[in-house]
Amino acid sequence: AQKVTQAQTEISVVEKEDVTLDCVYETRDTTYYLFWYKQPPSGELVFLIRRNSFDEQNEISGRYSWNFQKSTSSFNFTITASQVVDSAVYFCALSEGQTQGGSEKLVFGKGMKLTVNP
Amino acid sequence: NAGVTQTPKFQVLKTGQSMTLQCAQDMNHNSMYWYRQDPGMGLRLIYYSASEGTTDKGEVPNGYNVSRLNKREFSLRLESAAPSQTSVYFCASGSGLAANTQYFGPGTRLTVL
Repeated sequence: AQKVTQAQTEISVVEKEDVTLDCVYETRDTTYYLFWYKQPPSGELVFLIRRNSFDEQNEISGRYSWNFQKSTSSFNFTITASQVVDSAVYFCALSEGQTQGGSEKLVFGKGMKLTVNP
Repeated sequence: NAGVTQTPKFQVLKTGQSMTLQCAQDMNHNSMYWYRQDPGMGLRLIYYSASEGTTDKGEVPNGYNVSRLNKREFSLRLESAAPSQTSVYFCASGSGLAANTQYFGPGTRLTVL
């Protein structure tokens, strides 16, 4: 069965600090997809990134970077030089491939609340 | 292009009342989903519809029914609301493939007294 664990429930940092959000996943499938979503205080869910299980290249987008390591079943998210606007709840999610009876449903972690103080 | 829209944004019900949450998407997506979000629990799938005319149970379907009215619309009905259904409800849509990204509506905050 699929499972996503975000061990940190809440982190508070001071502006300009770097912060890493951890995500560990479990799946029996060889084809799967990992996602990060952001939920700012306004409440909407904003898609940030999708990664497939065959692509272990790290990705950088501005101040955001993602480190995908299949060996440790982790898909961690780092914010460099954090800003107050980064304050939000961040969710990691997993979708299995459609082989071996998988489906396109997302399984979410419980989320991690990041507070960036000025 | 509105993406995924939900109505209403807020609702207060008394125990035993019924209501329908509406969701529509204009992205021509095949799949649609209903989630609930509770503090400390993340998002949990209630029901989903992989295509027009089909619906399937998710992780927490008890107390809910759904209707995939057409490709654009997917409604969630609470027949007899209970305080345990107090939650924030999100509708999402996606292409329906495993690689699909799900896009979410703004949510409905429901309180059952």
